[in-house]
Amino acid sequence: GAGVSQSPRYKVTKRGQDVALRCDPISGHVSLYWYRQALGQGPEFLTYFNYEAQQDKSGLPNDRFSAERPEGSISTLTIQRTEQRDSAMYRCASSLAGLNTGELFFGEGSRLTVL
Amino acid sequence: QQPVQSPQAVILREGEDAVINCSSSKALYSVHWYRQKHGEAPVFLMILLKGGEQKGHEKISASFNEKKQQSSLYLTASQLSYSGTYFCGTENQAGTALIFGKGTTLSVSS
Repeated sequence: GAGVSQSPRYKVTKRGQDVALRCDPISGHVSLYWYRQALGQGPEFLTYFNYEAQQDKSGLPNDRFSAERPEGSISTLTIQRTEQRDSAMYRCASSLAGLNTGELFFGEGSRLTVL
Repeated sequence: QQPVQSPQAVILREGEDAVINCSSSKALYSVHWYRQKHGEAPVFLMILLKGGEQKGHEKISASFNEKKQQSSLYLTASQLSYSGTYFCGTENQAGTALIFGKGTTLSVSS
């Protein structure tokens, strides 16, 4: 497709389970970002990839959160031992090359609910 | 580090104007503006760069005052399609990602 694709769109899990959220960026986009968005709030930065290199993970809340982009394209955000406070919309965004090209293209998001 | 937006919400009738402000406590090199409609992903509006360059593809204007560390988004002759939540974003310390404000919700009615 032409846009950023995320899956699953909805995920309901029980506390303590691991979840993996997938992001397929726009073809050719070097930069990939993961954000988390609570209802009524702005997107909160989690982590940034330049090609396959994770260049900034300063926004990851704790060590239960990890992300990878092994071949510089598709990325996976993994949350281990989920907690209720992890419930949120997780959005992936991609850009041609960093912030200087201007536009981040956001995906439709994966809504995670932890029971 | 999070930029501060004001006002939190604006209610307009079609054809009226609005200004949304974004300010930061640190030096700004660029300010990015996005609009998010209910249930949808944020969509890029424009970027304002230090030195005055603007890049955008909507008929919406903005200003960037580097000294005051502020940006304002000007929505003139508002249309129903302008409704949504507007976010400003500024670069994080590392210059790798955007940090977004809490948003300004704009409601335009006929």
